[in-house]
Amino acid sequence: AQSVTQLDSHVSVSEGTPVLLRCNYSSSYSPSLFWYVQHPNKGLQLLLKYTSAATLVKGINGFEAEFKKSETSFHLTKPSAHMSDAAEYFCVVTGMDTGRRALTFGSGTRLQVQP
Amino acid sequence: NAGVTQTPKFQVLKTGQSMTLQCAQDMNHEYMSWYRQDPGMGLRLIHYSVGAGITDQGEVPNGYNVSRSTTEDFPLRLLSAAPSQTSVYFCASSYSSGQGGRAEAFFGQGTRLTVV
Repeated sequence: AQSVTQLDSHVSVSEGTPVLLRCNYSSSYSPSLFWYVQHPNKGLQLLLKYTSAATLVKGINGFEAEFKKSETSFHLTKPSAHMSDAAEYFCVVTGMDTGRRALTFGSGTRLQVQP
Repeated sequence: NAGVTQTPKFQVLKTGQSMTLQCAQDMNHEYMSWYRQDPGMGLRLIHYSVGAGITDQGEVPNGYNVSRSTTEDFPLRLLSAAPSQTSVYFCASSYSSGQGGRAEAFFGQGTRLTVV
């Protein structure tokens, strides 16, 4: 079975400082991993995805994530936070052990950006 | 490009009423899913489908039915609404990644349901 743990339910940063949102996963097989962002009262938008190509993945809006198999981690980073980054972020895993099932979501990290 | 379309966007039901949340996708994706989102719990899978005529239960299926008569449509039925079903519902579609796994999901804008 696969699972995702987002290590922080809430992260607060100042505008212009780096962002780090942590995600650990468990999967029996080579996983595909995703980060989604949800702005208030909006749907989910794909930020970036890892599907067994380059381990450092670049996404939209300056975000990137690094797949580290030895640490079973897929942390999301951004060098400099912007006020518009304030949102909820979800780490998601899928893989061959998913079988016919859908994606497995973490519980989410709410990012607050202070002016 | 419509993507995944959910209707309605908002709904208020009385306890015991039934209703259907509609979901349609125009990307010819084989996989479709319904999730509910509750504060602090992320998205939880209600039901999913891997193709027309094939559906299966997710984590929280009780009180919900689905069917998949076409590739495009995947409606979610609430049989007898309860206050515990107050939530935001998301429909998603996806496709095979070609490596035996699943590619990213495309989400509808959500339906905010309140049961009173």
